[in-house]
Amino acid sequence: NAGVMQNPRHLVRRRGQEARLRCSPMKGHSHVYWYRQLPEEGLKFMVYLQKENIIDESGMPKERFSAEFPKEGPSILRIQQVVRGDSAAYFCASSPIDSYEQYFGPGTRLTVT
Amino acid sequence: GQQLNQSPQSMFIQEGEDVSMNCTSSSIFNTWLWYKQDPGEGPVLLIALYKAGELTSNGRLTAQFGITRKDSFLNISASIPSDVGIYFCAGRDSGGSNYKLTFGKGTLLTVNP
Repeated sequence: NAGVMQNPRHLVRRRGQEARLRCSPMKGHSHVYWYRQLPEEGLKFMVYLQKENIIDESGMPKERFSAEFPKEGPSILRIQQVVRGDSAAYFCASSPIDSYEQYFGPGTRLTVT
Repeated sequence: GQQLNQSPQSMFIQEGEDVSMNCTSSSIFNTWLWYKQDPGEGPVLLIALYKAGELTSNGRLTAQFGITRKDSFLNISASIPSDVGIYFCAGRDSGGSNYKLTFGKGTLLTVNP
């Protein structure tokens, strides 16, 4: 049973470019969460999605960041016009319905040059 | 926002020793989760706790949900070199967004063989 899959594992972008991070949840999981981790820090919640719905985006910066989880295909975290401060590891987690146990993917390390 | 204080920040122990780490929160939590993260990887769920006073084991790991619901403890017995990594506590609070996890900053464990 494949775990949560994220790609790419590493992404380098120049300032001003767009970054697209993809996440495929575990089979049977319908809830997806995105977290950001800075060096030597814990994970910070960004957004919680179900299929075609954003449930809670209270941790998302108001500008340049967006997330979606379409009916078909992976969840996407999109960062427009990246800045150096966006450099971080971005993790996706998934959980089944009615469970609080979140299972994490390997992360995408974004570096903005 | 929610705050989790995790201690100690780091530990250096000899193989075979027991380890204890803990987390305290500024508010009541309904769920405590403990994760381990290896370098370059995503967090792996170790133990989930759902009730105050609950004591749960997973092999050499034992975790407890504090009676006050504001703290949790993780113990590792007879440590081995592969226990090396960063251990994170995460909690789900009793109000607001029921699915959002708040993470501690982690405990870095080093085991000397």
